[in-house]
Amino acid sequence: KQEVTQIPAALSVPEGENLVLNCSFTDSAIYNLQWFRQDPGKGLTSLLLIQSSQREQTSGRLNASLDKSSGRSTLYIAASQPGDSATYLCAGGVDNNDMRFGAGTRLTVKP
Amino acid sequence: ETGVTQSPTHLIKTRGQQVTLRCSSQSGHNTVSWYQQALGQGPQFIFQYYREEENGRGNFPPRFSGLQFPNYSSELNVNALELDDSALYLCASSSEGVRETQYFGPGTRLLVL
Repeated sequence: KQEVTQIPAALSVPEGENLVLNCSFTDSAIYNLQWFRQDPGKGLTSLLLIQSSQREQTSGRLNASLDKSSGRSTLYIAASQPGDSATYLCAGGVDNNDMRFGAGTRLTVKP
Repeated sequence: ETGVTQSPTHLIKTRGQQVTLRCSSQSGHNTVSWYQQALGQGPQFIFQYYREEENGRGNFPPRFSGLQFPNYSSELNVNALELDDSALYLCASSSEGVRETQYFGPGTRLLVL
């Protein structure tokens, strides 16, 4: 059974800092790995999708990598801003059209 | 904005009642997935509908059921509500299941008293 873990659970950084969020999964048989952002009480916003055949994706200040062999994905945020404050979730697409989510990392970027 | 809408935004029910939540998928998408998100946790997969047929189901009891209509909008029905059903219910649409980007709606917050 696929288990997805995100570490740390919470992170607080000063504005301008570069940071890395971690996601690990137990079963390498994932179709893809997707990173989302969730603001309090809101739905999820897709940030990046990495297909299983890919190693990384980039969008603006965000870069996500995928290493299936080690069961890890990272989300790199460059030059963080207060507007980046949110919960970041990773999810792996698995059999049965399921998508397994981690519990998220709550990020606070202080001005 | 993703183009995925959900109604209602908030709902309060009592234990034992039934509830119907609605989701309109993004234009051009034929797949809708439903998730339950308890406070402080990641979403959990309930089921997926593809072209009006259930196309995968998570570990939820049969009192969670759904429908997808010809226009690809969808409903989630929950019977015999329990206190633990209190959560944010999210729907997501995509063009081909979980293999493509999932676009989420804003969710319906359900409180069961």
